[in-house]
Amino acid sequence: DAKTTQPTSMDCAEGRAANLPCNHSTISGNEYVYWYRQIHSQGPQYIIHGLKNNETNEMASLIITEDRKSSTLILPHATLRDTAVYYCIVRQNTGANSKLTFGKGITLSVRP
Amino acid sequence: GAGVSQSPSNKVTEKGKDVELRCDPISGHTALYWYRQSLGQGLEFLIYFQGNSAPDKSGLPSDRFSAERTGGSVSTLTIQRTQQEDSAVYLCASSLIGRGAIYNEQFFGPGTRLTVL
Repeated sequence: DAKTTQPTSMDCAEGRAANLPCNHSTISGNEYVYWYRQIHSQGPQYIIHGLKNNETNEMASLIITEDRKSSTLILPHATLRDTAVYYCIVRQNTGANSKLTFGKGITLSVRP
Repeated sequence: GAGVSQSPSNKVTEKGKDVELRCDPISGHTALYWYRQSLGQGLEFLIYFQGNSAPDKSGLPSDRFSAERTGGSVSTLTIQRTQQEDSAVYLCASSLIGRGAIYNEQFFGPGTRLTVL
């Protein structure tokens, strides 16, 4: 079973920031928080990951709470092309534990 | 650069036939994964390969499913005696193993859409 819980859906106006929450209250010390997204009819796409520090890359920012029990993915200026299902996943980075366990994700709809 | 490629992109077959799905991972990626996504369902892990180690087959749904990886590169997923419930998108992903045996992010292919009539 997935170790994360996410809202089913949310929407966001184009150009505004999209803040996608994720709860992972049972995360263990050696597990990372990963975010992937899946645009309709495409394979999943890696976005960002982190362990305990906040992370930023060209796609998004990841804010992880100090207790690591929750996190937020931030798309700073959402575009229509960001409409997708976003998956928050916790996983270890070693060996057989590296497989991804996907939950249902959150469907983000960006409106014009 | 080239990403993960999969072939065919679409496959329609009759119940009871065998099918083979192919995955070409990113060059240099020694970890390879197969997942499947049924209509309206999430992604389900099937099998994982890393180098010469024995594959992790824990996600294969039945003994009709098998996979191999030749030469540490191309992988083939075989489904024997296909059933209608096998209809799904089959996705392949590869990953680079960094220093300290750290598995980096997975890069996914576009998938093969399998329809069993």
